[in-house]
Amino acid sequence: EAGVAQSPRYKIIEKRQSVAFWCNPISGHATLYWYQQILGQGPKLLIQFQNNGVVDDSQLPKDRFSAERLKGVDSTLKIQPAKLEDSAVYLCASSISGGPGELFFGEGSRLTVL
Amino acid sequence: QKEVEQDPGPLSVPEGAIVSLNCTYSNSAFQYFMWYRQYSRKGPELLMYTYSSGNKEDGRFTAQVDKSSKYISLFIRDSQPSDSATYLCAPRTGGSYIPTFGRGTSLIVHP
Repeated sequence: EAGVAQSPRYKIIEKRQSVAFWCNPISGHATLYWYQQILGQGPKLLIQFQNNGVVDDSQLPKDRFSAERLKGVDSTLKIQPAKLEDSAVYLCASSISGGPGELFFGEGSRLTVL
Repeated sequence: QKEVEQDPGPLSVPEGAIVSLNCTYSNSAFQYFMWYRQYSRKGPELLMYTYSSGNKEDGRFTAQVDKSSKYISLFIRDSQPSDSATYLCAPRTGGSYIPTFGRGTSLIVHP
């Protein structure tokens, strides 16, 4: 079974530029999450999708971050304009309903903002 | 006070040692207690979980929850260099599938 795919793995941009990350969840997983993990910290939820609808985006800085999940499969997370403090690893995860709610994570997209 | 607290370490032990990783939390509504393992430059992966209080064993790993003191532990027996990783505790309530992650404890097992 293929895991969660993310791209790009690494991205370096200047502040005020824009960047987009892409995620393809595990086939059949209806729920998709984007997390931000700053160095030395645990993952912080940015947004949760159930199919193509947003369930929770309360911690998404909406003035600069946006996310979409068209057709309930792939998702993109965009940052525009980027700030220095956005330097982090952006993790995508997916899950199925029921059970303990295990999250399956991708390897992440590492963003450096200069 | 953060909802989930973990000592970031690093915790350095010799191969074969018994390791104790700990976590405290403040939300009494947490019912599922997950441990994720994260290798360097990889995403977290679920190691094991317990529901409510008690112990759960899986091979060399034992998870323990004491809800009365809001204390979560993960024990690793006969630790191996391949156990070197960051261990994230991630409890959640029964009504939400979204866990609250601690900052993680970095473990280094040296040969």
